[in-house]
Amino acid sequence: KAGVTQTPRYLIKTRGQQVTLSCSPISGHRSVSWYQQTPGQGLQFLFEYFSETQRNKGNFPGRFSGRQFSNSRSEMNVSTLELGDSALYLCASAHDRGSYEQYFGPGTRLTVT
Amino acid sequence: AQSVTQLGSHVSVSEGALVLLRCNYSSSVPPYLFWYVQYPNQGLQLLLKYTSAATLVKGINGFEAEFKKSETSFHLTKPSAHMSDAAEYFCAVSNYNQGGKLIFGQGTELSVKP
Repeated sequence: KAGVTQTPRYLIKTRGQQVTLSCSPISGHRSVSWYQQTPGQGLQFLFEYFSETQRNKGNFPGRFSGRQFSNSRSEMNVSTLELGDSALYLCASAHDRGSYEQYFGPGTRLTVT
Repeated sequence: AQSVTQLGSHVSVSEGALVLLRCNYSSSVPPYLFWYVQYPNQGLQLLLKYTSAATLVKGINGFEAEFKKSETSFHLTKPSAHMSDAAEYFCAVSNYNQGGKLIFGQGTELSVKP
């Protein structure tokens, strides 16, 4: 079974731009969660989607948004990029909300200049 | 609210020695606890999880952890370190009501000396 895939793997953007990151969960998994990883703040939860609905949200500004499609694929969007948004963005999938085994993708490394 | 504290941002052991990575949690409800490992330029891989069954949990690659409610701890151990164990390790907490939301500790980087 293929694992969680994230595209693109690396991205360089300029302050003020917006960016969209994509995540394809493991086949059959319906829950997708997003995390931001930085050296200073560590791993922080962004949001969780299940059945195309946001079920949980972390403490991030409204510039961070996401969505999930009917095939469980998910995208996250960051608008008006700031230097501090430079991070590794990780996506994790689980079979459903009651499954506590989350499988992480390799991440998208976003650099904002 | 839930939180996780990992004691020691860097741990160094010799190959063949015991690995002990410390994790303490805070939770107002029964916790679910996890250990993940991250190799350079990769995502996180689940090593083991505790979800209110046996308190001694065995995971992959010879790792195990023991849930101690009285000490609010979930330390990760491995009897004999291997060079391939060098990586960053994260302890995380969740609960029955949190779905996919994990609260992570700051991580512990494990170095293994030959």
